[in-house]
Amino acid sequence: QVQLQESGPGLVKSSETLSLTCTVSGDSINSGTYFWSWIRQLPGKGLEWIAYIHKSGSTSYNTSLKNRLSISLDTSHNQFSLALSSVTAADTAMYYCARAPAVTSPTFDNWGQGVLVTVSS
Amino acid sequence: EIVLTQSPGTLSLSPGERGTLSCRASQTISRSSLAWYQQKPGQAPRLLIFRTYNKASDIPDRFSGSGSGTDFTLTIDRLEPEDSAVYYCQHYGSALFSFGPGTKIEIK
Repeated sequence: QVQLQESGPGLVKSSETLSLTCTVSGDSINSGTYFWSWIRQLPGKGLEWIAYIHKSGSTSYNTSLKNRLSISLDTSHNQFSLALSSVTAADTAMYYCARAPAVTSPTFDNWGQGVLVTVSS
Repeated sequence: EIVLTQSPGTLSLSPGERGTLSCRASQTISRSSLAWYQQKPGQAPRLLIFRTYNKASDIPDRFSGSGSGTDFTLTIDRLEPEDSAVYYCQHYGSALFSFGPGTKIEIK
C-alpha cells in the first residue's frame, strides 16, 4: 500500500520561497507511471491543483501560479518537491501531495495527510 | 481551461434520503475525464468515482455517478450520518487538473 507524506516548514515569511517535500513509501516513484502532484486548500475553501511531475521529468503547472512554481523529482530518495516563490498571505493553505495514475483520464487515488503552511508578514 | 461549477453549495438532508449533487463544466468534456471526491473535516480527500460512473475501491453501492456533455451528477442513496462531508468534482484535460468549488452535505 503506497503512502505519501508531506514535510516542510509550517511557517514561511512573506516574499520568501515555500519548499515542500513529499516522501513516497510502499512503492518506487519509478515503478509505475504516475503524475506526482501537489494540491492545496486555502482555509475554509476548496481544492486547488498546483502542479504535477512525471517520472520522465515532464511537468504541468496551474496557469495562475505557473510563474512562481517549480516541481522536481528525487528518485534516489523516492521523493518529489515543490517550490513556490514570492509567497504572500494568500498562499497560506493546507498543502497535499497526491498520486494520479497517468492513464487517459487520471484521478488522485492516493493522498498524503497534508501539511499546513502559514505565510507570515 | 475547463471551469467546473457545483450546485447546490450546501445540501441539508435527513438520514435515508437521497442526495443529488450537480457538477457543470464550462464546455463539453469527455465522460472519462470527470471524477468525484469526498472530504471529511480534518481529512484528505478520498476518491469516490472516476470516469463519471466507476466506483473506486471500497466505495459503497449507495454512491453512483452519471452524466455527459457538460452536466454530471453524483447521487448518494439512503444517506447515512457518515456521508456528512464536502464533495468535489474534478476534471483532467490538456495536461491540467481542475476541481469544482464543492457541495457540502449536512445530515440533519
